[in-house]
Amino acid sequence: GAVVSQHPSWVICKSGTSVKIECRSLDFQATTMFWYRQFPKQSLMLMATSNEGSKATYEQGVEKDKFLINHASLTLSTLTVTSAHPEDSSFYICSGAEGGTGELFFGEGSRLTVL
Amino acid sequence: AQSVAQPEDQVNVAEGNPLTVKCTYSVSGNPYLFWYVQYPNRGLQFLLKYITGDNLVKGSYGFEAEFNKSQTSFHLKKPSALVSDSALYFCAVRYNQAGTALIFGKGTTLSVSS
Repeated sequence: GAVVSQHPSWVICKSGTSVKIECRSLDFQATTMFWYRQFPKQSLMLMATSNEGSKATYEQGVEKDKFLINHASLTLSTLTVTSAHPEDSSFYICSGAEGGTGELFFGEGSRLTVL
Repeated sequence: AQSVAQPEDQVNVAEGNPLTVKCTYSVSGNPYLFWYVQYPNRGLQFLLKYITGDNLVKGSYGFEAEFNKSQTSFHLKKPSALVSDSALYFCAVRYNQAGTALIFGKGTTLSVSS
């Protein structure tokens, strides 16, 4: 079946640096990509929705200048956490929506730890 | 606005016993309901979904869920729990079939004891 490849799985960075997380849709075209954030033992909170070739739409309370989302192609979307701080430490998960059916496929998630 | 509620933070059940993980929803129009399971530090695994049709939906790993419109519920069930079923379970809703994100419940931790 369709797969979303997300990497890195784990990343540790120093405070103030930027980190990029990639999600690639394999065997399907993700016209829409959703980015979620999950705190330990909590639910997934939708951060933003991106459509290929368009600017992302951010949920209320999510800083668009801190969480830069790019969806330049139908198979690749990236989330860049800029000037990361310890409070940005979290589990980030992407989800691609297949263009034809709207079926959703999730990446394996990326654990970000900011020291 | 659409939302889902999972009233239980944790469900404990003995291996071999039936299990139920509760979910209620609130959505205008016809709901599209989903159940996912998550193991530690992993992504989500799809279990089942209700779009339309039969109220009883059968999914992966022996799980099933019953859509109850009058009670606005979509409880997850399994006749006989396994220790390996221990994980975090999420109910989710989407208000149409395509183009919109899933909105997740807070999650329920299922613990199956041997």
